[in-house]
Amino acid sequence: QQQVKQSPQSLIVQKGGISIINCAYENTAFDYFPWYQQFPGKGPALLIAIRPDVSEKKEGRFTISFNKSAKQFSLHIMDSQPGDSATYFCAAQIVGGASKIIFGSGTRLSIRP
Amino acid sequence: ETGVTQTPRHLVMGMTNKKSLKCEQHLGHNAMYWYKQSAKKPLELMFVYNFKEQTENNSVPSRFSPECPNSSHLFLHLHTLQPEDSALYLCASSQEGGNNQPQHFGDGTRLSIL
Repeated sequence: QQQVKQSPQSLIVQKGGISIINCAYENTAFDYFPWYQQFPGKGPALLIAIRPDVSEKKEGRFTISFNKSAKQFSLHIMDSQPGDSATYFCAAQIVGGASKIIFGSGTRLSIRP
Repeated sequence: ETGVTQTPRHLVMGMTNKKSLKCEQHLGHNAMYWYKQSAKKPLELMFVYNFKEQTENNSVPSRFSPECPNSSHLFLHLHTLQPEDSALYLCASSQEGGNNQPQHFGDGTRLSIL
């Protein structure tokens, strides 16, 4: 119930291509879904986030697609660049109190020049 | 300084040593967190402090002892650690009490237990 399943574990994409990372959750109490980007030697940094009342959110080249009925959400990176090479974590958060947030296991993305 | 600062960045210690990790946030947040990040595993939430009060302890062994003297500072006191405790320890902060706010992370302390 508390797990967030993330796939794939690693991903290699050519420069200019579309990177897609998928996540699935079980607990319908989750109501905030952030994505974090982590570079080596750095902590995770918030990339983009979505609430379940919308099906899509776009910020620049990054888009979250959200399917509430399927309890799935995904990150799309358009026109992927070498600088996007990092580990990406999806997360699901429960409203109320100090944030109960569950992270996916991460996807290591490599963009080939 | 801005954001969340963690010190030291790297720490090597023996199993019988006692050491402390420090976290300081300059964001005016009221909640702080300790996470453990191990290779190929999801981030593991260890402790949560909300307005200086510990609100969550995720079954963390007593060899890890948190301390939150005020809303800006968080410590993790370590003693008699085991080799499996080697990991990256991340501190985060957030603003609680309204719409969900994202967590802001420090760059972590890389801990190695000999």
